[in-house]
Amino acid sequence: DQQVKQNSPSLSVQEGRISILNCDYTNSMFDYFLWYKKYPAEGPTFLISISSIKDKNEDGRFTVFLNKSAKHLSLHIVPSQPGDSAVYFCAASSKTSYDKVIFGPGTSLSVIP
Amino acid sequence: EPEVTQTPSHQVTQMGQEVILRCVPISNHLYFYWYRQILGQKVEFLVSFYNNEISEKSEIFDDQFSVERPDGSNFTLKIRSTKLEDSAMYFCASTGGRLGTDTQYFGPGTRLTVL
Repeated sequence: DQQVKQNSPSLSVQEGRISILNCDYTNSMFDYFLWYKKYPAEGPTFLISISSIKDKNEDGRFTVFLNKSAKHLSLHIVPSQPGDSAVYFCAASSKTSYDKVIFGPGTSLSVIP
Repeated sequence: EPEVTQTPSHQVTQMGQEVILRCVPISNHLYFYWYRQILGQKVEFLVSFYNNEISEKSEIFDDQFSVERPDGSNFTLKIRSTKLEDSAMYFCASTGGRLGTDTQYFGPGTRLTVL
């Protein structure tokens, strides 16, 4: 039962361009969303989050957009850098089980110099 | 840069044996978490811990699992009788405030191999 989906297993982008990573969810109870980055042989790194009362949150080069009606969110990285090459996980939780974060399967981003 | 540490980096055990995975969260953090990632699969939440008790746990976190903060610095995950399907990377994490109010920091993980 995939409650959080990341339909693109991989994505390649040229350095300096925009990377757009997409995520869809099925559970309408989700109201808090997170993005994590993971390098091989390391633990995940929290990147950015958004609650359902907002439709956009920005932190430096990273912006997350939330479209509640479509149950869709996206992470934009501008400009993309080679160091951004990693697996990106979208995750979601709800007010009733705040810590019980459900992760998506991840998208592997390659930023080509 | 603060960091969460985990030991050992790799643990090999026989099926049915008990294992204890250790984590040292960031010193002033109050919320602690365990996650796992089976090879090739997604990261899964196991348990969260606050004020010396479990806050939330997933369906995976059954009676075989337990967590403890024995001495105010370490945060441990015990698996009483390991099964082959417990083989995974186990990640510890901590935050200063509730998830979403503060940055969550993860450790590098312990690779558990059950033979």
